Amino acid sequence: DAGVTQSPTHLIKTRGQHVTLRCSPISGHKSVSWYQQVLGQGPQFIFQYYEKEERGRGNFPDRFSARQFPNYSSELNVNALLLGDSALYLCASSLEASGEQYFGPGTRLTVT
Amino acid sequence: AQKVTQAQTEISVVEKEDVTLDCVYETRDTTYYLFWYKQPPSGELVFLIRRNSFDEQNEISGRYSWNFQKSTSSFNFTITASQVVDSAVYFCALSAPLGKTSYDKVIFGPGTSLSVIP
Repeated sequence: DAGVTQSPTHLIKTRGQHVTLRCSPISGHKSVSWYQQVLGQGPQFIFQYYEKEERGRGNFPDRFSARQFPNYSSELNVNALLLGDSALYLCASSLEASGEQYFGPGTRLTVT
Repeated sequence: AQKVTQAQTEISVVEKEDVTLDCVYETRDTTYYLFWYKQPPSGELVFLIRRNSFDEQNEISGRYSWNFQKSTSSFNFTITASQVVDSAVYFCALSAPLGKTSYDKVIFGPGTSLSVIP
């Protein structure tokens, strides 16, 4: 079975632009979580979606938003990009809302 | 508030040596999960283990073993006979509830970078 997939793998954007990152969970998994990992740090929780509803949100500004589709795939949107948004964005899926999370390869976002 | 501390920022060992990665956590929850993840240079996080807060039995999986001690809030990870392929950043993590719901998020420690020298 395919693991968690994310697209694109790399992305370069300019300050002020908008970006959309995509994630497809493992087949059968209904929960998707998003994390931001700045270089040299551990991942930081951004959102969790379960059954297409937002179940939790981390300490991130409203510029960050996400949604989950009927097929359980998910998008993370970031508006008005700042240099500090440069990071590896990781998507994780789990079978249940509080189960072990399986991570995708991430999307490396560089904001210039 | 929940927190995970990994005091060792970087560790270097020679191949075949044993190495222990330390993890100390803080939480007021009575039910929680602890995790270890491996992040090789490729960047993908690889799940290693999940441990329920009610299960303090040590676990061994091949060359990997984990020591969970609730009394000291520690969840240490030992690699026996280390190999070059073990070189990676290792993260200890703790589940934390999302408000009063049954859903949770994962709080990661800062990671320990392990280098195994041939």
